[in-house]
Amino acid sequence: SAVISQKPSRDICQRGTSLTIQCQVDSQVTMMFWYRQQPGQSLTLIATANQGSEATYESGFVIDKFPISRPNLTFSTLTVSNMSPEDSSIYLCSARTGALNSPLHFGNGTRLTVT
Amino acid sequence: GQQVMQIPQYQHVQEGEDFTTYCNSSTTLSNIQWYKQRPGGHPVFLIQLVKSGEVKKQKRLTFQFGEAKKNSSLHITATQTTDVGTYFCAGPWANKLIFGTGTLLAVQP
Repeated sequence: SAVISQKPSRDICQRGTSLTIQCQVDSQVTMMFWYRQQPGQSLTLIATANQGSEATYESGFVIDKFPISRPNLTFSTLTVSNMSPEDSSIYLCSARTGALNSPLHFGNGTRLTVT
Repeated sequence: GQQVMQIPQYQHVQEGEDFTTYCNSSTTLSNIQWYKQRPGGHPVFLIQLVKSGEVKKQKRLTFQFGEAKKNSSLHITATQTTDVGTYFCAGPWANKLIFGTGTLLAVQP
């Protein structure tokens, strides 16, 4: 199974600023995803990070607010831009190392608090 | 879009009691996956069910996939404090995985 390193693990940011979260996988992956998890809630998919091209965003999430990069197979970043307190959440990087519909591996998450 | 609902949202049991969470999808699924998230942790894959009516066991955990492949269940026999956490089912949609609403299990020693 893959090991996913995500950083920072937590941060406290001021509104109006931006934070970039990094995700590094220790093996080649087929797909990478970014999820958001509000406290006590389920996981909501933000986008699929596509290697070398623009990410595919889910309804309610836009590139200007959550720009994503994936320059190679094993690394991706998610930026939370122009933050507001509503962006306070846990952001999770995940990756699939096998065939379509194979299980996901998750990073430890980034706990973001916006003041 | 696809929706995956779980009941109950929360269950509190005494150690040694059984526990069941139910998962229902708005669409037929090619497979269903189950994940466990410990408090403060990240989701960890438990199992995948593919066949209609499939039943799989992992020690005290029994997983079932419905005949119509639209629902699933997870049953834990004789819960232990180590079972504490949130259990999510998840179903594939296109190339993505859509997570259920989750069931938080609390176990009192």
